[in-house]
Amino acid sequence: DQQVKQNSPSLSVQEGRISILNCDYTNSMFDYFLWYKKYPAEGPTFLISISSIKDKNEDGRFTVFLNKSAKHLSLHIVPSQPGDSAVYFCAASNSGGGADGLTFGKGTHLIIQP
Amino acid sequence: NAGVTQTPKFQVLKTGQSMTLQCAQDMNHEYMSWYRQDPGMGLRLIHYSVGAGITDQGEVPNGYNVSRSTTEDFPLRLLSAAPSQTSVYFCASSPRRVYNEQFFGPGTRLTVL
Repeated sequence: DQQVKQNSPSLSVQEGRISILNCDYTNSMFDYFLWYKKYPAEGPTFLISISSIKDKNEDGRFTVFLNKSAKHLSLHIVPSQPGDSAVYFCAASNSGGGADGLTFGKGTHLIIQP
Repeated sequence: NAGVTQTPKFQVLKTGQSMTLQCAQDMNHEYMSWYRQDPGMGLRLIHYSVGAGITDQGEVPNGYNVSRSTTEDFPLRLLSAAPSQTSVYFCASSPRRVYNEQFFGPGTRLTVL
């Protein structure tokens, strides 16, 4: 049973437009959420995170929104740039449950079209 | 800082062989972990450690052993390789204070024939 779901395997967006990547989770114990970016043949890189006490966190072109009642989060990238083409993983953790790692979604491949 | 390093980058094993995937970090991070990534799947946690001498199992620990004798190193041992262990393996580390924001190594691509 997947606890973190990214239902779009891929997403194509024009350069300069907004990219919106979505993520749903089922485990109510999750209280910390992260987005990682991964290029081919490299390890994932931490991008941005949000605690369950917030509903929005912004870092430059990247904004993460959290809707706890819907168990949904999204990553907005504005404006999208060619270097944003990568696989994006949503991840979640239960920080109160100890340091037992992250639960990842399957990823969304974002393609920025020139 | 080299960050998180992993060796080897690529490895081919025959069924039943054993081997150790090496992981080292030079950031003095307390927390280290191993994940595997299979095609079309997210990363799944194999084992993790919150400090030297302390290890615990993740979601998919069967067939793997770990030890943490120093803060810097966290090797992953495959005892008797099976084709189902063909995967890309990532090691990660983080400071305990923000253990979720993990630094990942470049990965080891393992094929078991």
